[in-house]
Amino acid sequence: KQEVTQIPAALSVPEGENLVLNCSFTDSAIYNLQWFRQDPGKGLTSLLLIQSSQREQTSGRLNASLDKSSGRSTLYIAASQPGDSATYLCAVRMFSGGYNKLIFGAGTRLAVHP
Amino acid sequence: ETGVTQTPRHLVMGMTNKKSLKCEQHLGHNAMYWYKQSAKKPLELMFVYNFKEQTENNSVPSRFSPECPNSSHLFLHLHTLQPEDSALYLCASSQDSRTWENQPQHFGDGTRLSIL
Repeated sequence: KQEVTQIPAALSVPEGENLVLNCSFTDSAIYNLQWFRQDPGKGLTSLLLIQSSQREQTSGRLNASLDKSSGRSTLYIAASQPGDSATYLCAVRMFSGGYNKLIFGAGTRLAVHP
Repeated sequence: ETGVTQTPRHLVMGMTNKKSLKCEQHLGHNAMYWYKQSAKKPLELMFVYNFKEQTENNSVPSRFSPECPNSSHLFLHLHTLQPEDSALYLCASSQDSRTWENQPQHFGDGTRLSIL
Protein backbone atom coordinates (compact mmCIF):
# COMPACT_ATOMS: atom_id res chain seq x y z
CA LYS A 1 0.00 0.00 0.00
CA GLN A 2 1.38 3.37 -1.02
CA GLU A 3 2.15 5.77 1.82
CA VAL A 4 3.16 9.38 1.30
CA THR A 5 4.94 11.22 4.10
CA GLN A 6 5.72 14.91 4.29
CA ILE A 7 8.35 16.41 6.57
CA PRO A 8 8.21 18.75 8.37
CA ALA A 9 4.54 18.95 9.33
CA ALA A 10 4.90 22.67 10.01
CA LEU A 11 7.53 25.28 9.26
CA SER A 12 7.88 28.94 10.25
CA VAL A 13 10.56 31.07 8.58
CA PRO A 14 11.40 34.76 8.19
CA GLU A 15 10.79 36.40 4.86
CA GLY A 16 13.58 36.00 2.32
CA GLU A 17 14.78 32.55 3.37
CA ASN A 18 15.23 29.71 0.92
CA LEU A 19 13.50 26.58 2.12
CA VAL A 20 13.00 22.92 1.27
CA LEU A 21 9.90 20.81 1.81
CA ASN A 22 10.27 17.04 1.73
CA CYS A 23 8.01 14.28 0.45
CA SER A 24 8.68 10.54 0.51
CA PHE A 25 6.69 7.61 -0.86
CA THR A 26 6.98 3.89 -0.27
CA ASP A 27 6.07 2.47 -3.70
CA SER A 28 8.17 3.76 -6.59
CA ALA A 29 5.70 2.55 -9.26
CA ILE A 30 4.28 6.01 -9.81
CA TYR A 31 3.35 7.84 -13.00
CA ASN A 32 3.97 11.31 -11.70
CA LEU A 33 4.23 13.40 -8.57
CA GLN A 34 2.39 16.63 -8.02
CA TRP A 35 2.86 19.47 -5.56
CA PHE A 36 -0.22 21.45 -4.54
CA ARG A 37 -0.82 24.55 -2.49
CA GLN A 38 -3.86 24.91 -0.22
CA ASP A 39 -4.83 28.20 1.36
CA PRO A 40 -7.07 28.16 4.46
CA GLY A 41 -10.68 27.36 3.59
CA LYS A 42 -9.80 26.80 -0.04
CA GLY A 43 -9.31 23.94 -2.45
CA LEU A 44 -6.03 22.76 -3.94
CA THR A 45 -4.02 24.63 -6.57
CA SER A 46 -1.54 22.62 -8.62
CA LEU A 47 1.98 24.07 -8.49
CA LEU A 48 4.21 21.60 -10.27
CA LEU A 49 3.82 18.18 -11.85
CA ILE A 50 6.86 15.96 -12.42
CA GLN A 51 6.55 13.01 -14.76
CA SER A 52 8.11 9.77 -13.54
CA SER A 53 10.79 10.07 -16.24
CA GLN A 54 11.78 13.58 -15.20
CA ARG A 55 14.13 14.72 -12.47
CA GLU A 56 12.84 18.22 -11.83
CA GLN A 57 10.42 20.97 -12.79
CA THR A 58 10.68 24.71 -12.24
CA SER A 59 8.11 27.47 -12.07
CA GLY A 60 9.24 30.92 -10.97
CA ARG A 61 10.69 30.66 -7.46
CA LEU A 62 9.61 27.03 -7.14
CA ASN A 63 11.71 24.02 -8.05
CA ALA A 64 10.57 20.44 -7.50
CA SER A 65 12.84 17.43 -7.82
CA LEU A 66 12.03 13.75 -8.04
CA ASP A 67 14.17 10.74 -7.23
CA LYS A 68 11.81 7.94 -8.08
CA SER A 69 14.13 5.09 -7.18
CA SER A 70 14.62 6.34 -3.65
CA GLY A 71 11.01 7.45 -3.27
CA ARG A 72 11.72 11.11 -2.60
CA SER A 73 10.76 14.54 -3.83
CA THR A 74 11.65 18.00 -2.63
CA LEU A 75 10.00 21.35 -3.21
CA TYR A 76 12.46 24.22 -3.08
CA ILE A 77 11.08 27.72 -2.52
CA ALA A 78 13.53 30.54 -3.16
CA ALA A 79 13.38 33.92 -1.44
CA SER A 80 10.22 33.12 0.50
CA GLN A 81 7.50 35.77 0.88
CA PRO A 82 4.58 36.14 3.31
CA GLY A 83 2.27 35.32 0.40
CA ASP A 84 3.83 31.85 0.27
CA SER A 85 2.18 31.02 3.60
CA ALA A 86 -0.09 28.03 2.97
CA THR A 87 -0.20 24.26 3.30
CA TYR A 88 1.82 22.42 0.68
CA LEU A 89 0.63 18.96 -0.33
CA CYS A 90 2.51 16.29 -2.20
CA ALA A 91 0.62 13.61 -4.15
CA VAL A 92 1.70 10.65 -6.26
CA ARG A 93 -0.29 9.29 -9.14
CA MET A 94 -0.56 5.53 -9.42
CA PHE A 95 -2.49 3.14 -11.59
CA SER A 96 -4.53 0.81 -9.39
CA GLY A 97 -7.62 -1.29 -10.00
CA GLY A 98 -7.94 -0.08 -13.59
CA TYR A 99 -7.91 3.59 -12.71
CA ASN A 100 -5.31 6.12 -11.85
CA LYS A 101 -5.40 7.65 -8.39
CA LEU A 102 -3.79 10.49 -6.52
CA ILE A 103 -2.47 9.52 -3.09
CA PHE A 104 -1.73 12.46 -0.84
CA GLY A 105 0.59 13.25 2.03
CA ALA A 106 -0.71 15.10 5.08
CA GLY A 107 0.99 18.33 4.04
CA THR A 108 3.49 20.85 5.36
CA ARG A 109 2.00 23.99 6.89
CA LEU A 110 4.28 26.93 6.00
CA ALA A 111 4.25 30.34 7.68
CA VAL A 112 6.49 33.07 6.30
CA HIS A 113 6.63 36.09 8.59
CA PRO A 114 7.76 39.60 7.61
CA GLU B 1 -12.35 30.82 -10.54
CA THR B 2 -11.12 27.23 -10.59
CA GLY B 3 -13.71 25.81 -12.96
CA VAL B 4 -15.05 23.56 -10.21
CA THR B 5 -17.78 25.04 -8.03
CA GLN B 6 -18.97 23.52 -4.77
CA THR B 7 -22.06 24.49 -2.76
CA PRO B 8 -22.68 25.16 -0.01
CA ARG B 9 -19.32 26.42 1.27
CA HIS B 10 -20.31 25.70 4.87
CA LEU B 11 -22.88 23.32 6.31
CA VAL B 12 -23.85 22.62 9.89
CA MET B 13 -26.23 19.74 10.46
CA GLY B 14 -27.50 17.47 13.18
CA MET B 15 -26.92 13.75 13.12
CA THR B 16 -30.50 13.02 12.07
CA ASN B 17 -30.64 15.53 9.20
CA LYS B 18 -30.47 14.79 5.49
CA LYS B 19 -28.54 17.19 3.29
CA SER B 20 -26.72 17.17 -0.03
CA LEU B 21 -23.44 18.62 -1.25
CA LYS B 22 -23.21 19.78 -4.85
CA CYS B 23 -20.30 20.00 -7.24
CA GLU B 24 -20.35 21.41 -10.76
CA GLN B 25 -17.46 21.59 -13.21
CA HIS B 26 -17.28 23.81 -16.29
CA LEU B 27 -14.13 22.27 -17.76
CA GLY B 28 -15.61 19.66 -20.08
CA HIS B 29 -14.13 16.86 -17.98
CA ASN B 30 -15.50 13.34 -17.79
CA ALA B 31 -14.24 12.22 -14.39
CA MET B 32 -15.30 13.60 -11.02
CA TYR B 33 -14.10 12.79 -7.54
CA TRP B 34 -15.11 13.26 -3.90
CA TYR B 35 -12.37 13.60 -1.29
CA LYS B 36 -12.56 13.98 2.49
CA GLN B 37 -10.00 16.16 4.27
CA SER B 38 -9.93 15.80 8.05
CA ALA B 39 -7.71 17.91 10.28
CA LYS B 40 -4.02 16.95 10.02
CA LYS B 41 -4.76 13.87 7.90
CA PRO B 42 -4.09 13.26 4.20
CA LEU B 43 -6.86 13.73 1.71
CA GLU B 44 -8.87 10.54 1.43
CA LEU B 45 -10.41 9.54 -1.87
CA MET B 46 -14.08 8.60 -1.37
CA PHE B 47 -15.69 8.10 -4.77
CA VAL B 48 -14.75 8.29 -8.44
CA TYR B 49 -17.14 8.70 -11.35
CA ASN B 50 -16.02 8.33 -14.95
CA PHE B 51 -18.49 9.15 -17.73
CA LYS B 52 -21.29 9.15 -15.08
CA GLU B 53 -20.40 5.65 -13.93
CA GLN B 54 -19.14 5.00 -10.41
CA THR B 55 -15.77 3.34 -10.72
CA GLU B 56 -14.53 3.51 -7.18
CA ASN B 57 -15.99 3.38 -3.70
CA ASN B 58 -13.16 3.54 -1.24
CA SER B 59 -14.94 1.65 1.56
CA VAL B 60 -17.11 4.65 2.34
CA PRO B 61 -19.97 4.14 4.85
CA SER B 62 -23.43 3.97 3.33
CA ARG B 63 -24.49 7.16 5.13
CA PHE B 64 -22.65 8.88 2.25
CA SER B 65 -24.47 8.37 -1.05
CA PRO B 66 -23.02 9.85 -4.27
CA GLU B 67 -24.97 10.70 -7.39
CA CYS B 68 -23.67 11.71 -10.80
CA PRO B 69 -26.53 12.63 -13.16
CA ASN B 70 -24.16 13.85 -15.88
CA SER B 71 -20.45 14.49 -16.39
CA SER B 72 -20.75 18.08 -15.15
CA HIS B 73 -22.54 17.49 -11.86
CA LEU B 74 -21.77 15.43 -8.79
CA PHE B 75 -23.72 15.22 -5.56
CA LEU B 76 -23.00 13.74 -2.17
CA HIS B 77 -26.16 12.91 -0.22
CA LEU B 78 -25.71 12.80 3.53
CA HIS B 79 -27.90 11.13 6.15
CA THR B 80 -27.49 10.04 9.75
CA LEU B 81 -23.93 11.35 9.92
CA GLN B 82 -21.60 11.03 12.90
CA PRO B 83 -19.48 13.72 14.59
CA GLU B 84 -16.31 12.17 13.10
CA ASP B 85 -17.70 12.97 9.64
CA SER B 86 -17.01 16.65 10.27
CA ALA B 87 -14.41 17.61 7.66
CA LEU B 88 -13.74 19.53 4.48
CA TYR B 89 -15.24 17.71 1.49
CA LEU B 90 -13.47 18.46 -1.76
CA CYS B 91 -14.67 17.77 -5.27
CA ALA B 92 -12.28 17.43 -8.20
CA SER B 93 -12.50 16.73 -11.91
CA SER B 94 -10.17 15.50 -14.63
CA GLN B 95 -10.44 14.58 -18.27
CA ASP B 96 -10.69 10.81 -17.80
CA SER B 97 -9.81 8.74 -14.74
CA ARG B 98 -8.72 5.75 -16.84
CA THR B 99 -6.18 7.39 -19.07
CA TRP B 100 -2.50 6.66 -18.55
CA GLU B 101 -1.58 10.12 -19.73
CA ASN B 102 -0.60 12.69 -17.18
CA GLN B 103 -3.39 15.09 -16.54
CA PRO B 104 -4.08 17.25 -13.51
CA GLN B 105 -7.11 17.11 -11.28
CA HIS B 106 -8.83 20.45 -10.73
CA PHE B 107 -10.25 21.04 -7.28
CA GLY B 108 -13.14 23.06 -5.95
CA ASP B 109 -12.88 25.11 -2.74
CA GLY B 110 -14.73 22.48 -0.73
CA THR B 111 -17.67 22.32 1.65
CA ARG B 112 -16.83 22.65 5.34
CA LEU B 113 -19.17 20.23 7.09
CA SER B 114 -19.81 20.31 10.83
CA ILE B 115 -21.92 17.63 12.52
CA LEU B 116 -23.49 18.60 15.83
